[in-house]
Amino acid sequence: NAGVMQNPRHLVRRRGQEARLRCSPMKGHSHVYWYRQLPEEGLKFMVYLQKENIIDESGMPKERFSAEFPKEGPSILRIQQVVRGDSAAYFCASSHQTSGHSYNEQFFGPGTRLTVL
Amino acid sequence: AQTVTQSQPEMSVQEAETVTLSCTYDTSESNYYLFWYKQPPSRQMILVIRQEAYKQQNATENRFSVNFQKAAKSFSLKISDSQLGDTAMYFCAFMKGGSQGNLIFGKGTKLSVKP
Repeated sequence: NAGVMQNPRHLVRRRGQEARLRCSPMKGHSHVYWYRQLPEEGLKFMVYLQKENIIDESGMPKERFSAEFPKEGPSILRIQQVVRGDSAAYFCASSHQTSGHSYNEQFFGPGTRLTVL
Repeated sequence: AQTVTQSQPEMSVQEAETVTLSCTYDTSESNYYLFWYKQPPSRQMILVIRQEAYKQQNATENRFSVNFQKAAKSFSLKISDSQLGDTAMYFCAFMKGGSQGNLIFGKGTKLSVKP
């Protein structure tokens, strides 16, 4: 059973370009979370999605950032017109939906390290 | 809003010794979960241990155990018989209960295990 997959593992972009980060959740998982880790910092929540729905985007910058989790295919985190401050590691996590449980473990992918030149 | 504080940016321990990493948190929630994650140089986030706030008994996973002091909002991690492979960043995290909530992380403690 494959874990959470993220690609690419490393992405280099020049200022002003677009970055697309992909996340394939674990098999059977319908919930996806995106986190950002700046250098020397902990992970910070960005957005929580279920299939075709954004549930919570309170941690995502209002401009230039968007996320989707279509019915088919991976979840995509898109950053338009990247700036140097977007350089970070972006982690995706996925979890089950199990009715009646108040907690479902989030399994993390290996992350995508974005470098903006 | 919930916050998680790790006051030790770096720690070191001799192999086979015991080390304790500190974590405090602030919340007005009564139902929540606390976690310790390990991030080795590979950057993969690995769940080490989990504690449900409603449980009084401290969680234990092999060489890893926690000291959960709910009234003090303290959640420390004890690593016994430290091994070289324990060298990593350790993050304390909080999750509100009752829903598919997001994790709130502390800034981390860099642990070095010395031979």
